[in-house]
Amino acid sequence: DGGITQSPKYLFRKEGQNVTLSCEQNLNHDAMYWYRQDPGQGLRLIYYSQIVNDFQKGDIAEGYSVSREKKESFPLTVTSAQKNPTAFYLCASRPPNQPQHFGDGTRLSIL
Amino acid sequence: DQQVKQNSPSLSVQEGRISILNCDYTNSMFDYFLWYKKYPAEGPTFLISISSIKDKNEDGRFTVFLNKSAKHLSLHIVPSQPGDSAVYFCAAILYQGGKLIFGQGTELSVKP
Repeated sequence: DGGITQSPKYLFRKEGQNVTLSCEQNLNHDAMYWYRQDPGQGLRLIYYSQIVNDFQKGDIAEGYSVSREKKESFPLTVTSAQKNPTAFYLCASRPPNQPQHFGDGTRLSIL
Repeated sequence: DQQVKQNSPSLSVQEGRISILNCDYTNSMFDYFLWYKKYPAEGPTFLISISSIKDKNEDGRFTVFLNKSAKHLSLHIVPSQPGDSAVYFCAAILYQGGKLIFGQGTELSVKP
């Protein structure tokens, strides 16, 4: 089954800890994206990657970091510098000239 | 600075009637527009899109209209069904890189 897998679905962390959200795709897509969704604000772009070993900041990159060492994987680290990390995080990938496909998201809660 | 706006946070429609979801944008350089549908605790799924060179695109019960002069697009669902109840996001692509800019979403509720 081809798709985008985000794990875990729910994640809890203590304040001040870094946490890494997983995103894996077996669709052979070059481009991958991370968004955050907050109530009433839609989806906002955190980071995106057009190709392996390359990534760019989105609109709200502060307090986040990513890596793209493999085509299939685009993990997002939420660092302790992120002031309001509790949110629903969505990963997406995209084939050339086609719409983005989304994973089912990870809900991160900071205790 | 919200480049893509959905000014109605919610919409309630009777089953069988038409649902019209609206979206406004400010940047005339957008060249492609999309609608996504999202259920709670799931990722958005692509619904329908339209290129800026067209003014209408239809797919079954879903039709998207684009009015470039007004910088406005709308999604029509006819007839509306209870399973259409979800949050609908419009999105625009700014350049070839495929970076999507989303509106805030409109929650559609279709009542039986």
